[in-house]
Amino acid sequence: QSVLTQPPSASGTPGQRVTISCSGSSSDIGSNTVSWYQQLPGTAPKVLIYNNYQRPSGVPDRFSGSKSGTSASLAISGLQSEDEADYYCAAWYHSLAYVFGTGTKVTVL
Amino acid sequence: QITLKESGPTLVKPTQTLTLTCTFSGFSLTTTGVGVGWIRQPPGKALEWLALVYWDDDKRYSPSLKSRLTITKDTSKNQVVLTLTNVDPVDTATYYCAHRLGTRQDYWGQGTLVTVSS
Repeated sequence: QSVLTQPPSASGTPGQRVTISCSGSSSDIGSNTVSWYQQLPGTAPKVLIYNNYQRPSGVPDRFSGSKSGTSASLAISGLQSEDEADYYCAAWYHSLAYVFGTGTKVTVL
Repeated sequence: QITLKESGPTLVKPTQTLTLTCTFSGFSLTTTGVGVGWIRQPPGKALEWLALVYWDDDKRYSPSLKSRLTITKDTSKNQVVLTLTNVDPVDTATYYCAHRLGTRQDYWGQGTLVTVSS
């Protein structure tokens, strides 16, 4: 089964820009849109980005998404302490099964 | 306001069947494009997608768990039920249900922790 690969960790100081990558294949990211989820400690995940770059209402514009070929990225600009969380990318695989990334823990130094 | 809540046993013995219920409000599972899915997360580990049922009863399953999973909907009760057969300690996880509309999995339940142990 397809797995989307993310770096296990990322970090930055307040105000910095942090970027998280998500690597897939032609069967998932390469042919479907990507979503990004934020999971704060002890809580359920929350959608940050869908359709590669779109933000649901209420999500700050500090969060932005992009996709190129079989990879996607989530950027957090103006990093804040409340952004310390786990982040997951996700996409459909062959339009048959939904797959999540391996997850990235973001630490605010 | 859309809400979802998972319910079911907190402890299950190995080889038994786990049945979880997602009870939702604020939307109808008869509306075109709407789906309800299940996702789990073992303690300290990543999210794992399990299954999804759409408004038209189209169903999708994780290929690695397909033989053990069944997802059904009861639109009259606003519920979606997930069964997982022949459970093992590796199935210990927090199980979430979530509302899906198009490409957005936008509302999640709080999750329910299920432990598989004898």
